[in-house]
Amino acid sequence: EAQVTQNPRYLITVTGKKLTVTCSQNMNHEYMSWYRQDPGLGLRQIYYSMNVEVTDKGDVPEGYKVSRKEKRNFPLILESPSPNQTSLYFCASSIRQGGNQPQHFGDGTRLSIL
Amino acid sequence: AQTVTQSQPEMSVQEAETVTLSCTYDTSESNYYLFWYKQPPSRQMILVIRQEAYKQQNATENRFSVNFQKAAKSFSLKISDSQLGDTAMYFCAFMKRPDNNNDMRFGAGTRLTVKP
Repeated sequence: EAQVTQNPRYLITVTGKKLTVTCSQNMNHEYMSWYRQDPGLGLRQIYYSMNVEVTDKGDVPEGYKVSRKEKRNFPLILESPSPNQTSLYFCASSIRQGGNQPQHFGDGTRLSIL
Repeated sequence: AQTVTQSQPEMSVQEAETVTLSCTYDTSESNYYLFWYKQPPSRQMILVIRQEAYKQQNATENRFSVNFQKAAKSFSLKISDSQLGDTAMYFCAFMKRPDNNNDMRFGAGTRLTVKP
């Protein structure tokens, strides 16, 4: 089954404790991205990757890191989480950049930073 | 920068009736894509329908259809014969074409409740 898998789905942690949210897709997609969803703001892009070893900042990259060492994986890293990063996070992928290619979303990860 | 506005934070409709969700956007681009995504309580983001700006014909997918007014920069979603399973958050989204980023700009969402 074609899917984007995020882990964990829920996480409660404390300020300053490094955490990683994993994202994996099994569709051989070139393009992957991370969004955060906040009430009244919709989804905003954090980082994106157009292919292996190619990543770039989205609209709200501060406090986040990503890596793309393999095509299928695109982890989101919070080196020193803070309460303002409490949010619902989505990983998404699509075949390639541009074109009429809707993004496939993971099921979301709800992070609470205390 | 492109912005997407959904002016209705919440809406409700009786089962089997029709409801229209509004979306407007601001862009200087002439070529782009528009999408409606559904997010049920399970939190998944499910693509409902998409429209290419160069196509004048409004997209339809079963009970879902859009009213795309390019000059007015409006992209409303009509849900006919509403079902309880349509209860969800609905997001309107814009993507520039071509785009080096595949970045989708989302509206703030409209929470739709279908009442029995």
